[in-house]
Amino acid sequence: SQQGEEDPQALSIQEGENATMNCSYKTSINNLQWYRQNSGRGLVHLILIRSNEREKHSGRLRVTLDTSKKSSSLLITASRAADTASYFCATLHIGGYNKLIFGAGTRLAVHP
Amino acid sequence: GAVVSQHPSWVICKSGTSVKIECRSLDFQATTMFWYRQFPKQSLMLMATSNEGSKATYEQGVEKDKFLINHASLTLSTLTVTSAHPEDSSFYICSATFSGLPTDTQYFGPGTRLTVL
Repeated sequence: SQQGEEDPQALSIQEGENATMNCSYKTSINNLQWYRQNSGRGLVHLILIRSNEREKHSGRLRVTLDTSKKSSSLLITASRAADTASYFCATLHIGGYNKLIFGAGTRLAVHP
Repeated sequence: GAVVSQHPSWVICKSGTSVKIECRSLDFQATTMFWYRQFPKQSLMLMATSNEGSKATYEQGVEKDKFLINHASLTLSTLTVTSAHPEDSSFYICSATFSGLPTDTQYFGPGTRLTVL
């Protein structure tokens, strides 16, 4: 079953605004990853944050991780129309075959 | 980075037929391959995990006799949807972890869209 919950389910903003998406999970993780998926396409890996990290940046992306609250956030700054996509968090379970469990996703629409 | 391909990218079949989807790693040997299913406007659900030469491990609720997974080599895994029905219509995505690369990173294929009429 899915472990991650994401909010909001959908987000609509104007170009130039910031977009923040949140993800919560239930059990201990090795790391948390964020992916983007354009409609009907494959996944694009955005960023990975390990359980011992609290914040990570990559270009216009900023990810935070709070293991005490079992939550993460993805911030996209100065959004562009091309950022329109679905965004998923995914948590990696410790042990086994490194199963990746995806959250429900946030559908982001950035309007010109 | 590592590249994972899937074939076909889309397929339409009649109800009752079987469909095979291939997942190939192009640059590295895949230690583990994963199969996911994604219904429209929903998230990815892990179906099964497979290692080369061994039986796949299926997630709870996934019928192993309906979704046959064969991981015959370190570069190829196949998913066969047997006796497909319209409710099996979905986007199927594979991913892989690779020998020599961090195992906490999965590389995803572009997906295969299955439509069962």
